[in-house]
Amino acid sequence: QKEVEQNSGPLSVPEGAIASLNCTYSDRGSQSFFWYRQYSGKSPELIMSIYSNGDKEDGRFTAQLNKASQYVSLLIRDSQPSDSATYLCAVKSTGRRALTFGSGTRLQVQP
Amino acid sequence: EAQVTQNPRYLITVTGKKLTVTCSQNMNHEYMSWYRQDPGLGLRQIYYSMNVEVTDKGDVPEGYKVSRKEKRNFPLILESPSPNQTSLYFCASSRQENTEAFFGQGTRLTVV
Repeated sequence: QKEVEQNSGPLSVPEGAIASLNCTYSDRGSQSFFWYRQYSGKSPELIMSIYSNGDKEDGRFTAQLNKASQYVSLLIRDSQPSDSATYLCAVKSTGRRALTFGSGTRLQVQP
Repeated sequence: EAQVTQNPRYLITVTGKKLTVTCSQNMNHEYMSWYRQDPGLGLRQIYYSMNVEVTDKGDVPEGYKVSRKEKRNFPLILESPSPNQTSLYFCASSRQENTEAFFGQGTRLTVV
């Protein structure tokens, strides 16, 4: 089992819809969780960080963390074509001195 | 402007010719790391540094060296590059190891 798993996609949503991206992780002791956006050939850009159970909202983005079920999700409201990118989930696991990244979910927002 | 700067952005080299990719951050971050990104394999950590003169191996350290003589700089050294090191490389820094990582622009390396 991979440490951090994401559906590779592509996830296709129409413009204006809500995009829901999911990530599961294996280390129950993980404490820090991050969502990054990466355009093709560019560097990952931090969107959200979340450290405690529940929801965290920032503009059109909402991160949701459920440590009991070991998943973290990212909701993008009012999706725009410019949101089309690969979204990377990253987890800081106990005993590891690095972030562990999922392989990413490719999101396509159709105009 | 807070940033992580890598150079060069693109590099084509031949097998066995030593090269260095530089990385510098201006955020006074303690923690720096190097990743490589390959299709289907995602981002994998090569080396990291907790502070000046403190470095350690990540998940894929073979064929790479690093140094951290100053807090702001963390160069990646390939002493004898091989074609399997052709990849997209990213330097990242964070205030601590469990906080957000900020990435440089990336270096696309091709070894022929």
